[in-house]
Amino acid sequence: GAVVSQHPSWVICKSGTSVKIECRSLDFQATTMFWYRQFPKQSLMLMATSNEGSKATYEQGVEKDKFLINHASLTLSTLTVTSAHPEDSSFYICSAAAGRWEKLFFGSGTQLSVL
Amino acid sequence: DAKTTQPPSMDCAEGRAANLPCNHSTISGNEYVYWYRQIHSQGPQYIIHGLKNNETNEMASLIITEDRKSSTLILPHATLRDTAVYYCIVRGEGAQKLVFGQGTRLTINP
Repeated sequence: GAVVSQHPSWVICKSGTSVKIECRSLDFQATTMFWYRQFPKQSLMLMATSNEGSKATYEQGVEKDKFLINHASLTLSTLTVTSAHPEDSSFYICSAAAGRWEKLFFGSGTQLSVL
Repeated sequence: DAKTTQPPSMDCAEGRAANLPCNHSTISGNEYVYWYRQIHSQGPQYIIHGLKNNETNEMASLIITEDRKSSTLILPHATLRDTAVYYCIVRGEGAQKLVFGQGTRLTINP
């Protein structure tokens, strides 16, 4: 199946700093990518839909100025957690639609810990 | 997208078939049933999907009832590596995003 690469796998940062997470589709072009967040022992929560060349669409309750999404190319979307705080500590996962809409492929996730 | 209901947890013996149920009584005619699984601290992995016919691939079989209000994912010979949270998701035709419920935590016991 198609491969989605997410980097970094884990990151520790100080409160108040910003963290950028990259999501790449390695062997296909993804016009649409999705960002999810997952807290321990909970399900994945969709944060936003990222469309190449246009503004992201955020789910209700997700602060767009807090979680900046850039989808500048057909193979790369980035999520920047700005001015991170301990409550932003979570597992962040991206996914991409590989042309045909039937399947979404997921990255391996990024564990963010804010001290 | 229609809501799904799954048991929170299940156990299965290694080597046996694992049958994971899912209720989706409000599913509409153009909505597909998808199954993904998530092994601890990893991203979800696609397993299988179907509309109304039963489906089988190298990972699993999907049995959808005739009225489409429920389905069962079957892992024919479960191994310890099949221990994961399994998500049943209903997704509309042409819709791209997946909305995850709570899933079933499947534990395969030796």
